[in-house]
Amino acid sequence: GDSVTQMEGPVTLSEEAFLTINCTYTATGYPSLFWYVQYPGEGLQLLLKATKADDKGSNKGFEATYRKETTSFHLEKGSVQVSDSAVYFCALRGSNFGNEKLTFGTGTRLTIIP
Amino acid sequence: DVKVTQSSRYLVKRTGEKVFLECVQDMDHENMFWYRQDPGLGLRLIYFSYDVKMKEKGDIPEGYSVSREKKERFSLILESASTNQTSMYLCASLRVFSYEQYFGPGTRLTVT
Repeated sequence: GDSVTQMEGPVTLSEEAFLTINCTYTATGYPSLFWYVQYPGEGLQLLLKATKADDKGSNKGFEATYRKETTSFHLEKGSVQVSDSAVYFCALRGSNFGNEKLTFGTGTRLTIIP
Repeated sequence: DVKVTQSSRYLVKRTGEKVFLECVQDMDHENMFWYRQDPGLGLRLIYFSYDVKMKEKGDIPEGYSVSREKKERFSLILESASTNQTSMYLCASLRVFSYEQYFGPGTRLTVT
């Protein structure tokens, strides 16, 4: 079945540091890939997505590129801020017709210190 | 602005009680989901519904049931709560066009 593996946290960085959170997946065909973010005390919200190979999703300074050859969708940001402290989830939607479910990774807690 | 609301942010129940968790969305979405979130396990799908009165089991349906009598409301029911059901419960609805799931703030349930 489909699965998502993301780097274990917690991750602690200083403000303005470069961020990478690794995500790899296992799925048949061409899944759609997502990053969701959960700020303290809130539900998840979509951060970015990519629906086909080589697509780059971007939002709020974050980027991730759908790499079919390495089955990866790593999240990056060039200069993190304290307000980026949150839990980040990588997720995929399988490509089979009628599949409306998401498979999530375990989440990576990110803390940015000033 | 899109909105998914859940009936309680925090809930404490005793073992064996019947527990109802309510979720309401105001976006006229057909698909709705219930997840539980546990440290180190991420989000796991309990049940989802793709239309009124329609439901499908997710990955961990044991000990849970659901009800979808109206399009905007999706309820999760714990028939007889147990301590291993202590968790954060998240509801979501799906905008099919963009395939974005919108989440509620969560209900932290403690079963003692």
